[in-house]
Amino acid sequence: QVQLQESGPGLVKPSGTLSLTCAVSGGSISSSNWWSWVRQSPGKGLEWIGEIYHSGSTNYNPSLKSRVAISVDKSKNQFSLKLSSVPAADTAVYYCARGTVGVFDLWGQGTMVIVSS
Amino acid sequence: VIWMTQSPSLLSASTGDRVTISCRVSQGISSYLAWYQQKPGKAPELLIYATSTLQSGVPSRFSGSGSGTDFTLTISCLQSEDFATYYCQQYYSFPRTFGQGTKVEIK
Repeated sequence: QVQLQESGPGLVKPSGTLSLTCAVSGGSISSSNWWSWVRQSPGKGLEWIGEIYHSGSTNYNPSLKSRVAISVDKSKNQFSLKLSSVPAADTAVYYCARGTVGVFDLWGQGTMVIVSS
Repeated sequence: VIWMTQSPSLLSASTGDRVTISCRVSQGISSYLAWYQQKPGKAPELLIYATSTLQSGVPSRFSGSGSGTDFTLTISCLQSEDFATYYCQQYYSFPRTFGQGTKVEIK
């Protein structure tokens, strides 16, 4: 079955760029799904960051749009998140998720990213 | 932005209880509402979409109802594995937004 796995640095310096990758296994990233990033700050709720289709089309949360870039690499069956100029408030567990008409029906296990010097 | 407000934030219940969680939305979203369950240290899991459609494999003790701006998740007979945090999410418009969560704890 399809599985998602996040990877990337667990520690990012303030004002730096957070970079994460989500590998899709057991299925194709070129399926009829959108691929999202969702984050959860410690002890807080869930925040949708944005999504990408295999064609490269994207939708972003306006609250983060100026700092976010999501890209797809079909050859590697993966998609990536870049979040720039990070403050400490971007410390969170970052999840990748598969979207089906806006519903997140498959999630990665999540990866904790701490923004600290 | 569509805001989601869940109540209560914390619900204390016993095994076997019937529990109800409310999700109020800041504007009408038709039936474009989903519910997720999250256990500590784990990713959320989809329970219900389109307000009342159970995701494959989800026990029938879970049910969803509502429309427009008021939605409800009901667990008819709480089991030990149901103690978790539940989130509603709208997918009527961008950005996708979630409620703040309802933690169901053991009474």
